[in-house]
Amino acid sequence: RKEVEQDPGPFNVPEGATVAFNCTYSNSASQSFFWYRQDCRKEPKLLMSVYSSGNEDGRFTAQLNRASQYISLLIRDSKLSDSATYLCVVLGGYNKLIFGAGTRLAVHP
Amino acid sequence: GAVVSQHPSRVICKSGTSVKIECRSLDFQATTMFWYRQFPKQSLMLMATSNEGSKATYEQGVEKDKFLINHASLTLSTLTVTSAHPEDSSFYICSARTRETEAFFGQGTRLTVV
Repeated sequence: RKEVEQDPGPFNVPEGATVAFNCTYSNSASQSFFWYRQDCRKEPKLLMSVYSSGNEDGRFTAQLNRASQYISLLIRDSKLSDSATYLCVVLGGYNKLIFGAGTRLAVHP
Repeated sequence: GAVVSQHPSRVICKSGTSVKIECRSLDFQATTMFWYRQFPKQSLMLMATSNEGSKATYEQGVEKDKFLINHASLTLSTLTVTSAHPEDSSFYICSARTRETEAFFGQGTRLTVV
């Protein structure tokens, strides 16, 4: 079983739509979680950290369910510029970041 | 935000030659640097973790004699792909962090071995 699993997509949505991505992780001892965004042929960039209480940053909301070992990202009012691959990331032992395979989002007019 | 500079951004080399990739943290001292490899349409795969002044820790399946990592200072780590072969063609990305910060990524190096 992979340490971090994501639905690869692609998710094709119209502008203005709400879209949700899910992620599961296998190591119950994991303490830190993140969503990164990666544009084609570019390096990943931190989108937001994920806190136990859930957190929101503008149109983006991240949730963590430790009991189910499940992380989610909700994007409201999708923009064309949101088109990218979204990477679920878990901080493992020795400060290693473990990446999911990513979920591709394509927002169309 | 913090900046990590990686170069070259793109390199084409002949099979059998060696290629060195540099990763520098420009405005912070990175206690740990990581090297990842990403094949097309796949996730970032961690190759090795490098702490300043100590030997790198390689992930299972990554040949340490082929991928030489040197972390000479708190701001510089290098990855040398020795005797490169076409199957080593990939996107290599470094990242750097301190205990208190998020990971910052270099721009990546696209290696093509012909």
